[in-house]
Amino acid sequence: GAGVSQTPSNKVTEKGKYVELRCDPISGHTALYWYRQSLGQGPEFLIYFQGTGAADDSGLPNDRFFAVRPEGSVSTLKIQRTERGDSAVYLCASSLSGTSDEQFFGPGTRLTVL
Amino acid sequence: GQQLNQSPQSMFIQEGEDVSMNCTSSSIFNTWLWYKQDPGEGPVLLIALYKAGELTSNGRLTAQFGITRKDSFLNISASIPSDVGIYFCAGQWGGADGLTFGKGTHLIIQP
Repeated sequence: GAGVSQTPSNKVTEKGKYVELRCDPISGHTALYWYRQSLGQGPEFLIYFQGTGAADDSGLPNDRFFAVRPEGSVSTLKIQRTERGDSAVYLCASSLSGTSDEQFFGPGTRLTVL
Repeated sequence: GQQLNQSPQSMFIQEGEDVSMNCTSSSIFNTWLWYKQDPGEGPVLLIALYKAGELTSNGRLTAQFGITRKDSFLNISASIPSDVGIYFCAGQWGGADGLTFGKGTHLIIQP
């Protein structure tokens, strides 16, 4: 399809493990966003990329969270030493250029930390 | 992180009724957005508002950007079964910024 895709759709891991979540944005979209949605809450902004660079990472909760977008397309969100509180749905969104453009969301990756 | 104050938290209505929900913030936004999220899916944009005082419609949906830039409401007229879902308001300061979301309004339509 032509939408934002995220893999895996579900990820179960154990406390202390490392996980990587992948986002494939809509082709040609230069802006990419990561959000985290806890149960019963709205999405919370984590980080925004314009091209390859992180333009705003103010939403990352701590230094266990890191994201990359090396070629300006696919992005990977990396979480080290996972904690049970990291359990949530991680949403990715992309927009054409960022400025006043609609953000299109993927279906999310549901992360469960046991 | 900050979340907007969205109310009501849930609504139980009959098919055909009108629905109203609102969102307030302690800080100003330059853009207000309303999204709908179905189970297992990401949010989908319904309406975007770019100017204080703006009133915008999209079919049976009408939304307004509050004059103070700190609030917005969404109305749905003549609700139908496919309107069931969770509705989120979101505010945006700059055009490329991440969005600040409300906690959502869960709309349930009783037969």
